[in-house]
Amino acid sequence: GAVVSQHPSRVICKSGTSVKIECRSLDFQATTMFWYRQFPKQSLMLMATSNEGSKATYEQGVEKDKFLINHASLTLSTLTVTSAHPEDSSFYICSARDDIAGNTGELFFGEGSRLTVL
Amino acid sequence: AQSVTQPDIHITVSEGASLELRCNYSYGATPYLFWYVQSPGQGLQLLLKYFSGDTLVQGIKGFEAEFKRSQSSFNLRKPSVHWSDAAEYFCAVAGSGYALNFGKGTSLLVTP
Repeated sequence: GAVVSQHPSRVICKSGTSVKIECRSLDFQATTMFWYRQFPKQSLMLMATSNEGSKATYEQGVEKDKFLINHASLTLSTLTVTSAHPEDSSFYICSARDDIAGNTGELFFGEGSRLTVL
Repeated sequence: AQSVTQPDIHITVSEGASLELRCNYSYGATPYLFWYVQSPGQGLQLLLKYFSGDTLVQGIKGFEAEFKRSQSSFNLRKPSVHWSDAAEYFCAVAGSGYALNFGKGTSLLVTP
């Protein structure tokens, strides 16, 4: 099946620093990828839709200047948490839609990245 | 907007007993529905999906789900639960642009 790889799986950083999380589709092309955030014991909340070659679309309430998304190729999207603060500590999960699979609606998820900001 | 509701936050079942996790959706047309499972600290694994056709969908690990339009439901079932099934279960519906909208999840505890 289609595989989505996220890196790093865990990251700890100091408050005020920036952290980059990568999301790669390993065996398929993904024009569209999605970034979700999950707080402990809560559901996944969509943060933004990442589109290859164009600007990301952010959900209401998500600061685009804080969560920078770059989708430079058909297999890679990156999420950069800028000037991270403890309240940004969360589990970030990316997902990707296979361009060739058609309009099935199925998304493939990465393993997630746990960010801890001290 | 497309949304799903999972009424049960926690469910406890005995190993070997049957399981049903509830999911109700809100969507005008025929929805694309999914069930995912998440173990602690892990990503999501797709159990099964419904797009159209047969309303009883078979998934992995012995799970099945039935789409009932009249009840706006897509409940997940398993005839006999194993201890390894303990996890968080999420129902989801495809929204605009193919992003998935997730329910709040149901935490399954399996007792010996």
